[in-house]
Amino acid sequence: SQTIHQWPATLVQPVGSPLSLECTVEGTSNPNLYWYRQAAGRGLQLLFYSVGIGQISSEVPQNLSASRPQDRQFILSSKKLLLSDSGFYLCAWTPQMGGANQPQHFGDGTRLSIL
Amino acid sequence: SQQGEEDPQALSIQEGENATMNCSYKTSINNLQWYRQNSGRGLVHLILIRSNEREKHSGRLRVTLDTSKKSSSLLITASRAADTASYFCATVKTGANNLFFGTGTRLTVIP
Repeated sequence: SQTIHQWPATLVQPVGSPLSLECTVEGTSNPNLYWYRQAAGRGLQLLFYSVGIGQISSEVPQNLSASRPQDRQFILSSKKLLLSDSGFYLCAWTPQMGGANQPQHFGDGTRLSIL
Repeated sequence: SQQGEEDPQALSIQEGENATMNCSYKTSINNLQWYRQNSGRGLVHLILIRSNEREKHSGRLRVTLDTSKKSSSLLITASRAADTASYFCATVKTGANNLFFGTGTRLTVIP
């Protein structure tokens, strides 16, 4: 069966520090991968999605970047965190076939607090 | 801006009662999906309904879709305390490859 892992579960970082959040998927090949951010009490905002290795689409211009160095690995990064980067970050995947017309499978998220 | 808006924002009911949540959206869609999120956790997919479907059932869940009104509803029958969570609708716009999430309904089921 397929599983998705995100780490760390929680992270507290000072303003101006770098960031690296990792997401890996097991049990499937060539998944579509997604990074979302959720502000407190709000819905999800799509940040990046990827349909293959090295292929990244950005939905919202911001202080963050994403990379997909391996088929089932998706990384969210920042060189210098801002206070506004605080939030709950969620990774998700769908099968390659059908893309967004398939249910999305989410990890348990990373709670990022910027001090 | 958000594609979907849920109504109500919060709902509190007694165990055993039915819970109805509504979702409105703005553009034509390929499908509409409902997700559940327990506090501090990831989202779990509940039901996907395609634009040419009007109603779907899954266990105690019933989803309707009215594309003429650009709206959907999620009905949870015979609610349980374990149904306490936030529920989100999400749409795939026609021609798009991404989900657009609403702001969610916070459901509390009182034992």
